[in-house]
Amino acid sequence: RKEVEQDPGPFNVPEGATVAFNCTYSNSASQSFFWYRQDCRKEPKLLMSVYSSGNEDGRFTAQLNRASQYISLLIRDSKLSDSATYLCVVFRSGGYQKVTFGIGTKLQVIP
Amino acid sequence: DTAVSQTPKYLVTQMGNDKSIKCEQNLGHDTMYWYKQDSKKFLKIMFSYNNKELIINETVPNRFSPKSPDKAHLNLHINSLELGDSAVYFCASSQESWPTNQETQYFGPGTRLLVL
Repeated sequence: RKEVEQDPGPFNVPEGATVAFNCTYSNSASQSFFWYRQDCRKEPKLLMSVYSSGNEDGRFTAQLNRASQYISLLIRDSKLSDSATYLCVVFRSGGYQKVTFGIGTKLQVIP
Repeated sequence: DTAVSQTPKYLVTQMGNDKSIKCEQNLGHDTMYWYKQDSKKFLKIMFSYNNKELIINETVPNRFSPKSPDKAHLNLHINSLELGDSAVYFCASSQESWPTNQETQYFGPGTRLLVL
């Protein structure tokens, strides 16, 4: 089983729709979680950190479920500019600290 | 001003050659990283340096060696290049050893390496 798993998509949604992505992680010792956004042929950029209590930033909501070992990203009122690949990132410490990126979920918002 | 810069942007070379990719950050960050993103778009961390000390060293062939002359630079040397080394290599930096304090990482624009 991969340490971090994401559905690669693509998710094709109409403008204004709400879309949600999940990301599962296999190591229960994982400590920190993030969502990054990567546009085509560009570098990844931090979208938001994921806190145990859940957090919201405008149209974006991230949640962590430690019991089921997954994190989620919800995007409300999708915009064309939201089209990108969303990377789930999981961090755990111990020995050499380990950072694992998911393969990313591709979102295409359609007019 | 570019926060994290990489040179070259594109690199095409023959198998067996030795090449270097340079990375510089002007953010005053203490930690720098190298990532590899392969043809399947899978992004994987290779190395992380904090104040010239190696803190993350994923399993990569020893043909890859990071060199940090100072905290603003982390160069990547690759010896005896192989076809499978073709990928996009991203440099990144953060103020502290990410993500202990959930610090934002800033990525460079990437270097697209093609080995023929």
